[in-house]
Amino acid sequence: DTGVSQDPRHKITKRGQNVTFRCDPISEHNRLYWYRQTLGQGPEFLTYFQNEAQLEKSRLLSDRFSAERPKGSFSTLEIQRTEQGDSAMYLCASSERGGDEAFFGQGTRLTVV
Amino acid sequence: AQKVTQAQTEISVVEKEDVTLDCVYETRDTTYYLFWYKQPPSGELVFLIRRNSFDEQNEISGRYSWNFQKSTSSFNFTITASQVVDSAVYFCALSEANYGQNFVFGPGTRLSVLP
Repeated sequence: DTGVSQDPRHKITKRGQNVTFRCDPISEHNRLYWYRQTLGQGPEFLTYFQNEAQLEKSRLLSDRFSAERPKGSFSTLEIQRTEQGDSAMYLCASSERGGDEAFFGQGTRLTVV
Repeated sequence: AQKVTQAQTEISVVEKEDVTLDCVYETRDTTYYLFWYKQPPSGELVFLIRRNSFDEQNEISGRYSWNFQKSTSSFNFTITASQVVDSAVYFCALSEANYGQNFVFGPGTRLSVLP
């Protein structure tokens, strides 16, 4: 068990481009979460999955954001037409069940220039 | 609605001092879970402790202890005999069992332990 892994670790993109991030959770974990963290702030919830079902989405998740977990294993987060305000650390976490502690990956740092 | 408040933005202590990090939460649920995470300079969030709303027993783990008081909606974290390696941002988080099961984080407290 290697923990939660995220790819890439860093991404620099030009405004208006699309980006996609990947998260591989801990293998036996059913729940997968995406969070966004900006400098000096706590992580903000974006969305979470129970197996392949996306059960909750934050109002922070605009139409430009989409997340999938097609086979209940890895997940992708896509941001279309990136804006400078999207620059942040995107964190993925997984847990075995609701109410359990979540284990976080190292994050993907996105910079939109 | 869920909310977590960490009123202390930054704390500086000298090594070997004790330090308490405050956390106050709001929830409409009767069943909920509280957590503390540590985020060192490397950036990865590290899980420290989980408590459920029915277990108000305080917990001690080495130099770390947690005081959960439902009457004041607080879940405070104390580090005894602090060390330089304790320097990090500490986040308190809340997860409700019945009203959305994501984690709501507080804004964090940056702890600097000086040698």
